[in-house]
Amino acid sequence: QKEVEQNSGPLSVPEGAIASLNCTYSDRGSQSFFWYRQYSGKSPELIMFIYSNGDKEDGRFTAQLNKASQYVSLLIRDSQPSDSATYLCAVRGSGGSNYKLTFGKGTLLTVNP
Amino acid sequence: ETGVTQSPTHLIKTRGQQVTLRCSSQSGHNTVSWYQQALGQGPQFIFQYYREEENGRGNFPPRFSGLQFPNYSSELNVNALELDDSALYLCASSSGGGRNYGYTFGSGTRLTVV
Repeated sequence: QKEVEQNSGPLSVPEGAIASLNCTYSDRGSQSFFWYRQYSGKSPELIMFIYSNGDKEDGRFTAQLNKASQYVSLLIRDSQPSDSATYLCAVRGSGGSNYKLTFGKGTLLTVNP
Repeated sequence: ETGVTQSPTHLIKTRGQQVTLRCSSQSGHNTVSWYQQALGQGPQFIFQYYREEENGRGNFPPRFSGLQFPNYSSELNVNALELDDSALYLCASSSGGGRNYGYTFGSGTRLTVV
């Protein structure tokens, strides 16, 4: 079983719509969760991090965490063509592995004008 | 405040050769991690250095090695290059041994092994 899994893409949404990106993780002890955006040929850029169950909002972005279900998601409201990128979910390990991030493969999002 | 800088940006090497990649951490950050990102995959953790000591390693063979210097800059060395080593190599810095918040990534070094 893969440690961090993301919903298979690519995901295509029209401009102005809500894009929903999902991620599940296997390490039940994980405490912190991150969403990175990566444009083609560029390095990952941190969008949001979340530690507590529930929702965390930052502008058009909302991260949602459900530790019981080992599930984290990212919602992008009013999607713009500039949001077109690969979105990477990352989980910080627990216990002796709490120094590293484990990434999913990423979901490619395309926002159509 | 400067960000994380990596050099070189692109590199082409021949199978069997050795390569050294360099990273300068963000000001105030004492922890540097290295990740390998193959095409179409998420980054994979190679190792981390905190205050000049390796304090974590991923599932990479010993021919991947590193150093951290007193100014917290870091090097990643790869010996006996293989074709599968072709990837984007990312350096990330943070403070507090990597237990605080997220990592700031550098722009990466694109390594091609032919």
